[in-house]
Amino acid sequence: GDSVTQMEGPVTLSEEAFLTINCTYTATGYPSLFWYVQYPGEGLQLLLKATKADDKGSNKGFEATYRKETTSFHLEKGSVQVSDSAVYFCALREGGGFQKLVFGTGTRLLVSP
Amino acid sequence: DSGVTQTPKHLITATGQRVTLRCSPRSGDLSVYWYQQSLDQGLQFLIQYYNGEERAKGNILERFSAQQFPDLHSELNLSSLELGDSALYFCASSPTTGQNTEAFFGQGTRLTVV
Repeated sequence: GDSVTQMEGPVTLSEEAFLTINCTYTATGYPSLFWYVQYPGEGLQLLLKATKADDKGSNKGFEATYRKETTSFHLEKGSVQVSDSAVYFCALREGGGFQKLVFGTGTRLLVSP
Repeated sequence: DSGVTQTPKHLITATGQRVTLRCSPRSGDLSVYWYQQSLDQGLQFLIQYYNGEERAKGNILERFSAQQFPDLHSELNLSSLELGDSALYFCASSPTTGQNTEAFFGQGTRLTVV
């Protein structure tokens, strides 16, 4: 079945450092890909998405490019802030019918001043 | 605020008991999803409803059941509770079920079984 694999956390960075969180997926078709963020004590919220190969999703300085050849959707940010500390989830959704969002296990990011 | 409301926020109950978690989706959203988030298993999809009908089922135990009512709110019933059922239960909603459709999540119900 479909699955998403994320790098283990926590990822610990200093403010203004460059961030990469790796995400690879396995899917039978051509899924849409998503990054969700979960701040402490809150539900998940969509950070960005990409719906086809070579699409780049971007939001709040975060970017991720849909790479079909490597089945990857790595999350990047050029300069992280303390307020970016959260858990980040990569997810996919296949097309056709009633398809669920399949999530990775999440990667905790800790940014220190 | 995502617009998805879950109640209660916290629930503590004993093993063997039964509880009901409630979810009110965003206004106009027809699709409701339930997820279980535990430390060891991440976010697990439980079940999906669309306009009152069950549409997809994931790793939902037989002790668990759900339904979506005509006003589109949904309830997740958990019975014969075990310690291992302790987790954060999320409800999410979306207007449709299309591939590119974003799901909006509630803040979750934290269930503790003692």
